[in-house]
Amino acid sequence: KQEVTQIPAALSVPEGENLVLNCSFTDSAIYNLQWFRQDPGKGLTSLLLIQSSQREQTSGRLNASLDKSSGRSTLYIAASQPGDSATYLCAVIKAAGNKLTFGGGTRVLVKP
Amino acid sequence: DTEVTQTPKHLVMGMTNKKSLKCEQHMGHRAMYWYKQKAKKPPELMFVYSYEKLSINESVPSRFSPECPNSSLLNLHLHALQPEDSALYLCASSQAGRILVYGYTFGSGTRLTVV
Repeated sequence: KQEVTQIPAALSVPEGENLVLNCSFTDSAIYNLQWFRQDPGKGLTSLLLIQSSQREQTSGRLNASLDKSSGRSTLYIAASQPGDSATYLCAVIKAAGNKLTFGGGTRVLVKP
Repeated sequence: DTEVTQTPKHLVMGMTNKKSLKCEQHMGHRAMYWYKQKAKKPPELMFVYSYEKLSINESVPSRFSPECPNSSLLNLHLHALQPEDSALYLCASSQAGRILVYGYTFGSGTRLTVV
């Protein structure tokens, strides 16, 4: 059974500091890994999708890396802003069924 | 159109009521999903529809009844719910193949309260 873990569960940083969010998964037989952002009581906003053949994806201040062999992905957010405060979720897509398996999320607070 | 639209945004229902949640997308996605999310927890998969056919039911109680009338629309019919069913219900869609170019797109959710 695929298990996805996100460490730390919560993170508080001063504005301007770089954020590093970690995601690990137990079964390396994945097709895709997707990072989401969720504001309190809201839906999920897709940030980045990494296909299994890719090593990283970048969008603006965001960069996500994927190391399938070690079962890890890292989301980097450069020069954090208070508006980056949210919960960040990683999810992996297994080989069959298009079934997303989520990590528990990392709650981020960026202090002005 | 790159959105998944869910209605209503909020719903309060009694334990004897029958209500429905609606989800719509016009991105040509042929896979659609229902997720349930409790506070401070990640979303949990309930149902998957692929090409309008139910492909995954994660042992969800029968008081939740999904329906996919066409490729753009997904409903979740609710009947005789319990207070513990109160949660944020999220709809999502994606391409139906194994290799996804754009990943999953989620709606903004329906906040359900059962009284």
